[in-house]
Amino acid sequence: GAVVSQHPSWVICKSGTSVKIECRSLDFQATTMFWYRQFPKQSLMLMATSNEGSKATYEQGVEKDKFLINHASLTLSTLTVTSAHPEDSSFYICSASKGGGAGGKNIQYFGAGTRLSVL
Amino acid sequence: GENVEQHPSTLSVQEGDSAVIKCTYSDSASNYFPWYKQELGKRPQLIIDIRSNVGEKKDQRIAVTLNKTAKHFSLHITETQPEDSAVYFCAAANTGNQFYFGTGTSLTVIP
Repeated sequence: GAVVSQHPSWVICKSGTSVKIECRSLDFQATTMFWYRQFPKQSLMLMATSNEGSKATYEQGVEKDKFLINHASLTLSTLTVTSAHPEDSSFYICSASKGGGAGGKNIQYFGAGTRLSVL
Repeated sequence: GENVEQHPSTLSVQEGDSAVIKCTYSDSASNYFPWYKQELGKRPQLIIDIRSNVGEKKDQRIAVTLNKTAKHFSLHITETQPEDSAVYFCAAANTGNQFYFGTGTSLTVIP
C-alpha cells in the first residue's frame, strides 16, 4: 500500500501564531512531497513541491516566508504557516510521490488534509 | 505553466445512467492524467489514470479517454450508483511530477 498520514486534521489558532502541519509517508519513501491548498468547493491549488534535502519550489504567488516547508527525510515533510491570519484559513492537503519505475513515478498519494481556522 | 479546465462543474444523473466529465489541458509536455474522487471532508483518492502513450483505459465501470492532439481527456462512469456521488478532479502532470488540477465536478447520482 501507500499510506500518507497528515497531522493535525484540524487546528484552530489565534491570529499571529504559527502552525506546523506534518505529512508522513508511512510505508514508502517519498522522493517528492507536494502541498496543496483547497478552498471550499474549489479545486486543489498547488502551493509548493518539496524534494528531500533541498529547498522547496514554490508556485507563483505563494509566499515562501509565509509558508515554510521542510523536507528533512524521505518520509516527512512539514508546512509551517507563519504568523497566521484569518485569510490563511483553509484546507491544506499534502501528497507524496513514490520514486522510480515508469509505472509508479507520477502517482501521488494524498494525506487526509488539515483544516486550519485562524481566529 | 499548465492550465487545466474541467466541465461541467456540477452534474446530476439518474442511478444507472452514465456520467461524462471532460478536461482540457494546455501544456503539450504533460504526459500523465490521473482522475481523483474526493468525498466531502476526505482526501482525494486516485480512481483511474492514463499516460500519454495510451488513448483509452478502462477499469470496470470507469473509463478514461485521451486525445493528445486536441489536448483533452474524459472520464466516463457507466451504470452510476449513489456511492459514485462525490467531487471528481482531473489533473495533468509533467515529468517533474507536478500536478495541475481541474476545477472539479460535483457529481450527484439520484437514486
